[in-house]
Amino acid sequence: GAGVSQSPSNKVTEKGKDVELRCDPISGHTALYWYRQRLGQGLEFLIYFQGNSAPDKSGLPSDRFSAERTGESVSTLTIQRTQQEDSAVYLCASSVDGVKRGRRNEQFFGPGTRLTVL
Amino acid sequence: AQSVSQHNHHVILSEAASLELGCNYSYGGTVNLFWYVQYPGQHLQLLLKYFSGDPLVKGIKGFEAEFIKSKFSFNLRKPSVQWSDTAEYFCAVNAPGAGSYQLTFGKGTKLSVIP
Repeated sequence: GAGVSQSPSNKVTEKGKDVELRCDPISGHTALYWYRQRLGQGLEFLIYFQGNSAPDKSGLPSDRFSAERTGESVSTLTIQRTQQEDSAVYLCASSVDGVKRGRRNEQFFGPGTRLTVL
Repeated sequence: AQSVSQHNHHVILSEAASLELGCNYSYGGTVNLFWYVQYPGQHLQLLLKYFSGDPLVKGIKGFEAEFIKSKFSFNLRKPSVQWSDTAEYFCAVNAPGAGSYQLTFGKGTKLSVIP
């Protein structure tokens, strides 16, 4: 497909378990972003990839959160030892180029993964 | 660091009413500005964007927004809303020229349009 895809669409897990969330960006997009949307809140930035390096990890809330990206393709966000406050919708976005101003910086969002930690 | 504030948490309008949703950002440099919309059960979609040039930008579905640099504002407008405009609207900003690539979002405004 032409858009950003994410899997799974829904994930229910027990407190203390690890989870992996996947994002497939639009083909050719070098920049990839992870955001989190908790109930009643706006979107919070988590991490930004340019290619397979992550120049900005400033939004990751704790060392339980990590992410990696393979080349300019798939990214996985891993949450270890999940806590109830991790419950949120995790959104992935991609853009042609993260560093340019203008159209190449326009971000396209995936449908998100709804994570529920019991 | 940037921040974005959206003035209204929930707006309720009748069909054909005019809409204006406020958005102010705090950042002194050059920015990109965006409005995203999230319809019930759907994912975020770009409504319109401003990079440079004409401060009045037109987006999809009859929406427009005006960038007023002196007021740090990027308000969203539509002259006549429809029931199908019921959604949550998010204002966002980034400043890639300053090394800030990620979007900073406002908390969103829920719009409910009554038929």
